Amino acid sequence: DTAVSQTPKYLVTQMGNDKSIKCEQNLGHDTMYWYKQDSKKFLKIMFSYNNKELIINETVPNRFSPKSPDKAHLNLHINSLELGDSAVYFCASSDDNNQPQHFGDGTRLSIL
Amino acid sequence: QKEVEQDPGPLSVPEGAIVSLNCTYSNSAFQYFMWYRQYSRKGPELLMYTYSSGNKEDGRFTAQVDKSSKYISLFIRDSQPSDSATYLCAMTTGGSYIPTFGRGTSLIVHP
Repeated sequence: DTAVSQTPKYLVTQMGNDKSIKCEQNLGHDTMYWYKQDSKKFLKIMFSYNNKELIINETVPNRFSPKSPDKAHLNLHINSLELGDSAVYFCASSDDNNQPQHFGDGTRLSIL
Repeated sequence: QKEVEQDPGPLSVPEGAIVSLNCTYSNSAFQYFMWYRQYSRKGPELLMYTYSSGNKEDGRFTAQVDKSSKYISLFIRDSQPSDSATYLCAMTTGGSYIPTFGRGTSLIVHP
């Protein structure tokens, strides 16, 4: 039974397109996150939501917009995709402050 | 200097070896320490979670934290080919939702 699930697993698209990635967690956690992992494997936080409220918004282009319809879901919409957006995007969740995060298996985004 | 330093490797060892993976950090406010294992094309999976200094053991894995030296380690005993993965350390202060991750060490255990 998957704890944090992301769809799609792979996303190949052209520059300039708009795309969305969905994330759902069934752990009952209050906090969800989006991370970007680049080719050098660094995990960089993008956004964090706690009970549907945005609590962390790192320096991310405003082409990226997270949406949390309820505390079990955190989606990521990306407008006007650029070559530099190619990366693996991970969704994660945690119970509360300082509790370890549980990750999904990532969405591999490739921009042509 | 990055907040968390971790040698990317790869570290290649024979099956059965004892593996030592390490991270150093500069922020003395870090109190919670984690080790994640990431297989290729998968998400990071939590292995160990410790608070403050000391040791924690779980099966073949032992996590060690030395706050005075700002140094943490993960030991893997009797390493197996299935342990081949990237190991990421992560740490947080008392008041932050967001851990600071190391870049991960790639481990290869060959039969």
